[in-house]
Amino acid sequence: DAGVTQSPTHLIKTRGQHVTLRCSPISGHKSVSWYQQVLGQGPQFIFQYYEKEERGRGNFPDRFSARQFPNYSSELNVNALLLGDSALYLCASSLASWGTNYGYTFGSGTRLTVV
Amino acid sequence: AQKVTQAQTEISVVEKEDVTLDCVYETRDTTYYLFWYKQPPSGELVFLIRRNSFDEQNEISGRYSWNFQKSTSSFNFTITASQVVDSAVYFCALSNREGAQKLVFGQGTRLTINP
Repeated sequence: DAGVTQSPTHLIKTRGQHVTLRCSPISGHKSVSWYQQVLGQGPQFIFQYYEKEERGRGNFPDRFSARQFPNYSSELNVNALLLGDSALYLCASSLASWGTNYGYTFGSGTRLTVV
Repeated sequence: AQKVTQAQTEISVVEKEDVTLDCVYETRDTTYYLFWYKQPPSGELVFLIRRNSFDEQNEISGRYSWNFQKSTSSFNFTITASQVVDSAVYFCALSNREGAQKLVFGQGTRLTINP
């Protein structure tokens, strides 16, 4: 079975632009979460979606938004990019809403560079 | 608020040495879960262990062992007879039962095993 798939793997954008990152969870997993990992730091929680509904949001500005599709894949959108948005964006999938019983499986991430 | 502290930013040892990575956490919840993840240069977070707050038994898996002590709010990770392949960044993380599957990560410890 394929793991968590994220696309693209690398991306370079200019300040002020918009970006869309994509995540396909493990087959059968209904929950997707997004994390931002700035270089040298631990990942920070952005969003969780379960059954197409937002179940949690971290301390990020409204420029960040996400959605989950009927096939449980997800998109993370960031508007009006800032230099500080440069980071590795990780997607994690889980079988259920509360992933701690089943664990979280992470993808390899999308490396976003804003210039 | 939840917080995870990994005071060791970088550790460098010679192959076959034992090494312990420290993790101290803060939470007001009585039910919570602790995790360790390994992040190789590829960027993917690899799950190592999950421990719930009611299970203080230490765990051993091959060369890996974990020491959970609620009295000191610590969840330390020891690698015995380290190998070059153990070189990576290691993250300790905390999650509570309520709400989103939010993982709160520490800053990470970069472990380098020298041949």
